[in-house]
Amino acid sequence: DAGVTQSPTHLIKTRGQQVTLRCSPKSGHDTVSWYQQALGQGPQFIFQYYEEEERQRGNFPDRFSGHQFPNYSSELNVNALLLGDSALYLCASSLQGNNQPQHFGDGTRLSIL
Amino acid sequence: QQPVQSPQAVILREGEDAVINCSSSKALYSVHWYRQKHGEAPVFLMILLKGGEQKGHEKISASFNEKKQQSSLYLTASQLSYSGTYFCGTVGGGSNYKLTFGKGTLLTVNP
Repeated sequence: DAGVTQSPTHLIKTRGQQVTLRCSPKSGHDTVSWYQQALGQGPQFIFQYYEEEERQRGNFPDRFSGHQFPNYSSELNVNALLLGDSALYLCASSLQGNNQPQHFGDGTRLSIL
Repeated sequence: QQPVQSPQAVILREGEDAVINCSSSKALYSVHWYRQKHGEAPVFLMILLKGGEQKGHEKISASFNEKKQQSSLYLTASQLSYSGTYFCGTVGGGSNYKLTFGKGTLLTVNP
């Protein structure tokens, strides 16, 4: 049973560019959440997708957008990259509901030069 | 608002016990606990809900004081495999799905 898979594992971009990160949820899960984790910090909630809609959003600018597909997989898009966007981006999947365990992928390490 | 975890770091010898605390200034619906080893993804440990319900699959116990908006994670007879950073995450009630994590507690278990 495959867990949460994310691609790519590492990515290097320059300021101003755009990036797309991808996530396939654990089999049976219908909800996908995205987090940004800076070095030495806890994951910060970006947004959550359920039924192909953004259900809730954290304190991130509109440069951060996402999408969920009918097969429950998801993408995170970041436009106009800034140096401060360098971080580990984690995807987590779960069953619907706000008291469900979240299963995290190994993340995408994004470096902005 | 981000929950506050204490201590920031703790060092144990194998077999010793530890308690990690998590507190919030906002009313909580549930508290989630995760462990992240260096270079790995966070792994679910436990969820504590208002009313006393718990969900978890590790041999780790925790408590949730709803009145004080506090939770504690109890690590007893620690093993080397317990080493890692422990995060608590909090969720408000109603239709709030945002999981807000604390800054983490680094636990090191030495032989």
